[in-house]
Order: sequence, then structure tokens, then C-alpha cells
Amino acid sequence: ETGVTQTPRHLVMGMTNKKSLKCEQHLGHNAMYWYKQSAKKPLELMFVYSLEERVENNSVPSRFSPECPNSSHLFLHLHTLQPEDSALYLCASSQEVPSGSYHNEQFFGPGTRLTVL
Amino acid sequence: AQSVTQLDSHVSVSEGTPVLLRCNYSSSYSPSLFWYVQHPNKGLQLLLKYTSAATLVKGINGFEAEFKKSETSFHLTKPSAHMSDAAEYFCVVSLLNDYKLSFGAGTTVTVRA
Repeated sequence: ETGVTQTPRHLVMGMTNKKSLKCEQHLGHNAMYWYKQSAKKPLELMFVYSLEERVENNSVPSRFSPECPNSSHLFLHLHTLQPEDSALYLCASSQEVPSGSYHNEQFFGPGTRLTVL
Repeated sequence: AQSVTQLDSHVSVSEGTPVLLRCNYSSSYSPSLFWYVQHPNKGLQLLLKYTSAATLVKGINGFEAEFKKSETSFHLTKPSAHMSDAAEYFCVVSLLNDYKLSFGAGTTVTVRA
């Protein structure tokens, strides 16, 4: 596997279900991101993990719960979602250089298409 | 704070003709600028990036963009469109040492045979 992978690619769930999205990066990066892409709206940054610590939680409802067990893996746990949460969820990674200057080039996975019934 | 405005929500071109996608940015400091492409049901792929080196940036698949500070623009061009260029294109800005990316609303490109 190369780059950033996401599973599953498609997910249909009811409002009472609990599911998880998985992201894995094979690039040796130290920062990972969750984005939500809804139709006709700009990408929304949801969460950022840098060196396995959450550094951003962009006013995301608590029904979305991220987990970053190590620098290569990122999860998004879902429970009691609403139909308006249906969207494409994108994971990305990048390499931060805490002691130096860097330009945040992010590498994206293919996304998970989520449908909430 | 930084932001981007993509001036066209949709661009339609004939195969073999030039493509121009317009982007204006707003940034308090020297920005990093990117163009990403998203094909249907795929993730975002980096086309090219500007990081304060040469103002004319060449990317993949024959695309290039020119950073014009006086006009706060970073327009994307390709001399000859191909059917495979049909996709959504995003202009993105960030600041040096900042993990946040600010995305434009996107421009959908259709290519007519």
C-alpha cells in the first residue's frame, strides 16, 4: 500500500448505529486530518492530530469521536448520526517540522462516502 | 486569516483548447498556495504548489500556475485540455508553519469532445 488509504470506501448506516472510519498513511508523516466534504460546500476541517495529539477540534459535534493510536493510523468513530452528516469524509496527512519552517502539503486519501438513513 | 475565492464555479472547454481557472487569495502574510484536483469518487490530488520560490509553478499533467502578488492571484492554466481533465479543482492557501488549509469552493471543469 502506498499513500493514504481509507476504509471502508462506502458506508450506509442508520441513525442508531455505531461505526468507525479508518485511515492509514504510509508516508512517514507526523500529522493527520479529518475533513468533511458536503455537496456544494467547501471542505470543512474537522480534526487535526500532530504527533498523535489532537491540536484542532473544529466545533465538531460529539457524535464524531476521533482516535489516533499512532502516527500512521487515524479513526473516526461515529454514533447516533443525523442524515445531514451524510458526506464524503476525507483523511489527509502531512509532515510537520516543529523546529523549522515548512509548507503544509497535505496528501489525501480517497475518502469514505457515508450515507445516514 | 487567509481565504481564497475561485471566481468560476464551472468552466466548460473543448478538447484541445486552453483551460483557465481563476483564483484570488487573501492573506496577511506570505502564503503557500496549492491547486488540488478531485476526480469523481476520488480523493484530492496535488497538482502544484507555490512556496515563495519561482512565481511560475509547473505541475503535473501539463498544468501550471502563476503567483502574482500585486493582483493576489494564483490562476491555473493548461494550454490544451484533455478529456481526462474533467474534474473538480480546488485552490488552497495556507501560511508558513500552519497546518490549516483554506479551501476555495471549487471549480468544476467539463471537457467537450
